Amino acid sequence: QQPVQSPQAVILREGEDAVINCSSSKALYSVHWYRQKHGEAPVFLMILLKGGEQKGHEKISASFNEKKQQSSLYLTASQLSYSGTYFCGTEMGGNNRLAFGKGNQVVVIP
Amino acid sequence: EADIYQTPRYLVIGTGKKITLECSQTMGHDKMYWYQQDPGMELHLIHYSYGVNSTEKGDLSSESTVSRIRTEHFPLTLESARPSHTSQYLCASSESGDSPLHFGNGTRLTVT
Repeated sequence: QQPVQSPQAVILREGEDAVINCSSSKALYSVHWYRQKHGEAPVFLMILLKGGEQKGHEKISASFNEKKQQSSLYLTASQLSYSGTYFCGTEMGGNNRLAFGKGNQVVVIP
Repeated sequence: EADIYQTPRYLVIGTGKKITLECSQTMGHDKMYWYQQDPGMELHLIHYSYGVNSTEKGDLSSESTVSRIRTEHFPLTLESARPSHTSQYLCASSESGDSPLHFGNGTRLTVT
């Protein structure tokens, strides 16, 4: 079951904040976040685990609401380098078999 | 930094040809994956492996096959390529469950 990501696209100016979301209809074990720039491989940002543990970059902020099966990624004081497509991957069993959403396209302009 | 390599980077081939996409990682990861991604679209899991001699189909049906004879090597084979196979194929590996996926740079396949 693929997660649903929203909004589909975000345009923001350098220094502004944005929130992108990922939701699932199934009970989740973990949520992964990756960023992919055009023509490049997805790059790992964050893992959020059931129970509250998080693994990832210190400058990336995210949350995981287990009751609602929703995760949010917070882009704070955005930089030009934040531009790209953000994919969330969800899995239910702790086996790292991720189902990815359609992505949130983020464009940061000067 | 992750070390996972895919070759070729680009491949244009005619219908009916047999092709093998190579994927190798030097991190000793047990888990490896193949994802298919059309331009601007989501990634779909087509194969995964939990270790040597372990391979399973993913969520998206695929006519490709994979093998895992060595920990570091996870090649994907198409016996007879068709235009519908045109896509980008991304290989990934992870240390264990709850670990990040490390992606290769992908193979962009075009079947004419």
